[in-house]
Amino acid sequence: DTEVTQTPKHLVMGMTNKKSLKCEQHMGHRAMYWYKQKAKKPPELMFVYSYEKLSINESVPSRFSPECPNSSLLNLHLHALQPEDSALYLCASSPSEVYEQYFGPGTRLTVT
Amino acid sequence: GQNIDQPTEMTATEGAIVQINCTYQTSGFNGLFWYQQHAGEAPTFLSYNVLDGLEEKGRFSSFLSRSKGYSYLLLKELQMKDSASYLCAVMDSNYQLIWGAGTKLIIKP
Repeated sequence: DTEVTQTPKHLVMGMTNKKSLKCEQHMGHRAMYWYKQKAKKPPELMFVYSYEKLSINESVPSRFSPECPNSSLLNLHLHALQPEDSALYLCASSPSEVYEQYFGPGTRLTVT
Repeated sequence: GQNIDQPTEMTATEGAIVQINCTYQTSGFNGLFWYQQHAGEAPTFLSYNVLDGLEEKGRFSSFLSRSKGYSYLLLKELQMKDSASYLCAVMDSNYQLIWGAGTKLIIKP
C-alpha cells in the first residue's frame, strides 16, 4: 500500500458543528502532517506528529485539535469553525521528518 | 526571514522544454523538493536535491546550486497533462518545509 487516504473528500459544516477529518497510511511512515491550503496558495503547515508525538504546532487556533491514535492514523477534530477556515485540508506522511512527504487527496471543507 | 521565489506563471508549447527556476533564502538547508499540483488535487512529489548537481527522472530533471541558493526544474517533451502548478519547497534547519508560492505552467498545443 503506497498511498495516503483521507476521509471525507468533501465536508460542509456549520459554525456550531463538531466534525473530524481522518487520515490513514500503511507505508510504515513515522511522521504525519496536517496542512491547510487556500486556493492558489501553497500548503500551510498546521501540525506535525513524529513517532506519534506532536512535535510542531504552528500556533493553530484551538478550534482545530489533532490526534494521532497510532502510527497509521491521524485525525483532525474540528469545532466552532469560522467561514475563513474553509479550505482544502491535506494530510501527508513521510518515513521521518527528513524525507519527502506524500500527500493524501485532501478534504475540501466548507464552513457555512 | 525565509523566502522562496519562483515565477507566478509560465507558458510553453506541447513537445517543447521548459525550465522553472526557484531561488531561496532560508535558515538552514536540509534539501530542496519539487512538487506538482493539478488544480483541485493534492501535491505530488517529483524530486529531491540535497547535493549540488542534476538529478534526472525520466522527462523531469532538477538542479541545485547551494552556493547560489538556486534550483530549477526542467521538463522535457512537454505533454498537455503537464499543465499544473509546480511548487518549490526547502527543508530548513528545523526540518520544516518552506514553500514557494508555486508556478502555474500552461501548456499550449
